[in-house]
Amino acid sequence: GDSVTQMEGPVTLSEEAFLTINCTYTATGYPSLFWYVQYPGEGLQLLLKATKADDKGSNKGFEATYRKETTSFHLEKGSVQVSDSAVYFCALNKFNDYKLSFGAGTTVTVRA
Amino acid sequence: GAVVSQHPSWVICKSGTSVKIECRSLDFQATTMFWYRQFPKQSLMLMATSNEGSKATYEQGVEKDKFLINHASLTLSTLTVTSAHPEDSSFYICSASGRSIPYEQYFGPGTRLTVT
Repeated sequence: GDSVTQMEGPVTLSEEAFLTINCTYTATGYPSLFWYVQYPGEGLQLLLKATKADDKGSNKGFEATYRKETTSFHLEKGSVQVSDSAVYFCALNKFNDYKLSFGAGTTVTVRA
Repeated sequence: GAVVSQHPSWVICKSGTSVKIECRSLDFQATTMFWYRQFPKQSLMLMATSNEGSKATYEQGVEKDKFLINHASLTLSTLTVTSAHPEDSSFYICSASGRSIPYEQYFGPGTRLTVT
């Protein structure tokens, strides 16, 4: 079945450091790929998405590129802030399917 | 746009009682709603999918008689935890999709349930 594998956390960084969270997937066909962010005590917010190979999703300084050849969708941010401290989830859904498959989540803590 | 609310944000109930959680889409028509459960420091576990006016489809291992889901309108779905026990304590999150945002889910803020 479809699955998503994320790098294990927790990840602790200093402010202005570079952040990368690896995400790889297994799926048949051509899934859409998502990154969601969950701040403490809150639900999930869609951070960015990509729907086809070589698409780059970007939002709030975060970027991720849909790499079909490596089945990856790594999340990056060039200069993190304390407010970026959260749990990040990589997810996918199949074409014409609402159901999401989530990765385990990666906890990121940014220290001032 | 695509805002989903949940009520209550947290609830404490006694063992054996039932509790209802509401999920509303505020600015779009939610043809499909999802209910998830999240344990501390873990990912989301899909419990069930509901389409407006239809019975919910439950994931394997989820007790449909314990977790009653109703999706009576295009803006409201409810999850009722019946005869709650301490092991039902968890963070419950709903999400919604609609024709205007096909194949994307927008999530509510979650409801923290504690059963004493």
